[in-house]
Amino acid sequence: ETAVFQTPNYHVTQVGNEVSFNCKQTLGHDTMYWYKQDSKKLLKIMFSYNNKQLIVNETVPRRFSPQSSDKAHLNLRIKSVEPEDSAVYLCASSWDSANTEVFFGKGTRLTVV
Amino acid sequence: GDSVTQTEGLVTLTEGLPVMLNCTYQSTYSPFLFWYVQHLNEAPKLLLKSFTDNKRPEHQGFHATLHKSSSSFHLQKSSAQLSDSALYYCACSSNTNKVVFGTGTRLQVLP
Repeated sequence: ETAVFQTPNYHVTQVGNEVSFNCKQTLGHDTMYWYKQDSKKLLKIMFSYNNKQLIVNETVPRRFSPQSSDKAHLNLRIKSVEPEDSAVYLCASSWDSANTEVFFGKGTRLTVV
Repeated sequence: GDSVTQTEGLVTLTEGLPVMLNCTYQSTYSPFLFWYVQHLNEAPKLLLKSFTDNKRPEHQGFHATLHKSSSSFHLQKSSAQLSDSALYYCACSSNTNKVVFGTGTRLQVLP
């Protein structure tokens, strides 16, 4: 049963455009994440938020910016997309503990043409 | 930081044969280890996670044993099923806000 909701499911856009992806979790978790899954299925963390505060910010280009209005929502904005941004972006959430399950959304597939 | 190394690429085997997907890790601390499974067009979801008391976790016929001496958490199943075909990620967490995933291993079970 899905408890991490992402919109849109798919998005096709041209190089240079701005895109925004939305994510909401209904599990009451403290921590939310954005992961990037590339064409080789590598799953890399981009950002981690704990109670609306940025905790982890991996080395991602500055055109990526996360936005959190409350602990249940974490959006991702990409200014001026580039071809290498084509990937599946997975939102996830968990309790604030190292030994805890991460719950993923179904992802947003971005194609940059 | 933490890192995870797992069997890369595609593992193909015949239904009924045993499954073993390798996973080793490097961590400064004593991490927790996980296996996640992602079926086609679905989200990754937790399959197994390590226990603090060295019990062996099991789920859907899969099991994995955390060996701290060899820094390993291999995934095993005695008899593969067609429905086991999926992408499997080993993951490691020693920090409350960061789970590190391996490169993923695609398992293909043939009839």
